[in-house]
Amino acid sequence: GENVEQHPSTLSVQEGDSAVIKCTYSDSASNYFPWYKQELGKGPQLIIDIRSNVGEKKDQRIAVTLNKTAKHFSLHITETQPEDSAVYFCAAITNAGKSTFGDGTTLTVKP
Amino acid sequence: NAGVTQTPKFQVLKTGQSMTLQCAQDMNHEYMSWYRQDPGMGLRLIHYSVGAGITDQGEVPNGYNVSRSTTEDFPLRLLSAAPSQTSVYFCASSYSNMGTGHNSPLHFGNGTRLTVT
Repeated sequence: GENVEQHPSTLSVQEGDSAVIKCTYSDSASNYFPWYKQELGKGPQLIIDIRSNVGEKKDQRIAVTLNKTAKHFSLHITETQPEDSAVYFCAAITNAGKSTFGDGTTLTVKP
Repeated sequence: NAGVTQTPKFQVLKTGQSMTLQCAQDMNHEYMSWYRQDPGMGLRLIHYSVGAGITDQGEVPNGYNVSRSTTEDFPLRLLSAAPSQTSVYFCASSYSNMGTGHNSPLHFGNGTRLTVT
């Protein structure tokens, strides 16, 4: 089955710095790669996603890159703010509907 | 627009008891799924459904049953609760995750925190 590895498990940055979270996947059938942000006591919320036919996607301060050959994808957050502090999850989803999540990264942005 | 609604928010069970976690969505989504989230771990897929009348097993299906008689509802049943099933359970739905070559984002509920003693 699919295996998704996410690194680092914790990340602490100063406000204004950039944060990068990386994920690798194993199943070539995965073709959709969303990133979720989870705040305490709430369900995960989608922040950005990328499909296998695209190499990079950007939405304001957030960007995602995908390297299909190497089977890895990354989340980039620029100009971090304290409200970016949360747990971030990557996921790899196949066309058949099976989703596999990474173990999460706890991001702390220090003011 | 309520999105994905999960009930109850909290539940305490004794070992061996059964119960049903409810999940309903009002977005006419075809795809629905159940996950459990344990400390330090990501979300693990329990069961999923690509449409009414169709269900399939995920990564950790043992001890759980599901059914999908309507598009809106996807209940998760614990037949005989065990302490190992203590977790936070999330239900999610999306417009389509299969067959079209066009996966769409998952919308999550706010979870049910289950404790089995």
